[in-house]
Amino acid sequence: QVQLVESGGGVVQPGRSLRLSCEASGFAFKNYAMNWVRQAPGKGLEWVAVLSFDGSNEYYADSAKGRFIMSRDNSQNTLYLQMNSLRPEDTAVYFCARLHWEFHAFDIWGQGTMVTVSS
Amino acid sequence: QTVVTQEPSFSVSPGGTVTLTCGLTSGSVSTTSYPSWYQQTPGQAPLTLIYNTDTRSSGVPDRFSGSILGNKAALTITGAQADDESHYYCVLYLGSGIWVFGGGTKLTVL
Repeated sequence: QVQLVESGGGVVQPGRSLRLSCEASGFAFKNYAMNWVRQAPGKGLEWVAVLSFDGSNEYYADSAKGRFIMSRDNSQNTLYLQMNSLRPEDTAVYFCARLHWEFHAFDIWGQGTMVTVSS
Repeated sequence: QTVVTQEPSFSVSPGGTVTLTCGLTSGSVSTTSYPSWYQQTPGQAPLTLIYNTDTRSSGVPDRFSGSILGNKAALTITGAQADDESHYYCVLYLGSGIWVFGGGTKLTVL
C-alpha cells in the first residue's frame, strides 16, 4: 500500500524551529522527487518546496526561501522539512506529496501534520 | 508575482454539468503548465483527480474531465453527484521547479 505519513508537528513559539518528517512506504521512495504543501486554517493549498529524488536539487516558494530546508534519507525512506525562524503565518497543516515528475503533478499525499506558531 | 485564479464558489444541480476554470493573472494557461486538479473535503488530504491537463488519476470516475478552454485550464464535472460537493484546487507548473496553486473553488451541489 502506497503511503506517506507525516509527523513532527506541534505548537512552537515565533522565531523557533521545528522539523517535520514524512515516512514513505509501498513504493521506491529513492526514485521520486517529493514536495511539501501547506494549508493554513480555512485557507487554500500552498506549494512550499520540492526536493529531487537524490536530494541534489531543491526549490522553494518565496514564503519558505531562506528559512525552510528540505532533505531526505533514502535509506530510511524519509523526507524532512527543517523550518527555522517560524512566524505565526506559518501556522498550517503540512502535507508531503509525491511528485509525478513527468507530468509535474502531485500524485500521492500524506494526511498532514499540524504546525501552530504562537506565543 | 504570478497568481493562479479560480472561481471562489460555484453551484450545480444534481445531475447537472459544471465547468471550473484555472487561469493566470498574466498570460495564458497551456498544456506546458501541466495543469492538475485536486479535490479536498474538510479535514482530509487532497485527492488527485486530473494531471497533465486531461489525464484522470487512477480510480477517478469518468464524469470528471480536464481540458484547456481558451486561455484557461478547465475541470468539467458531468452528471454531478451529491458527494462531489467539495473544494477543488488547480495547480500550475511555472517552470524552474516552481508550482502555484489557485485559491480553490468551493462547489455546492444542490
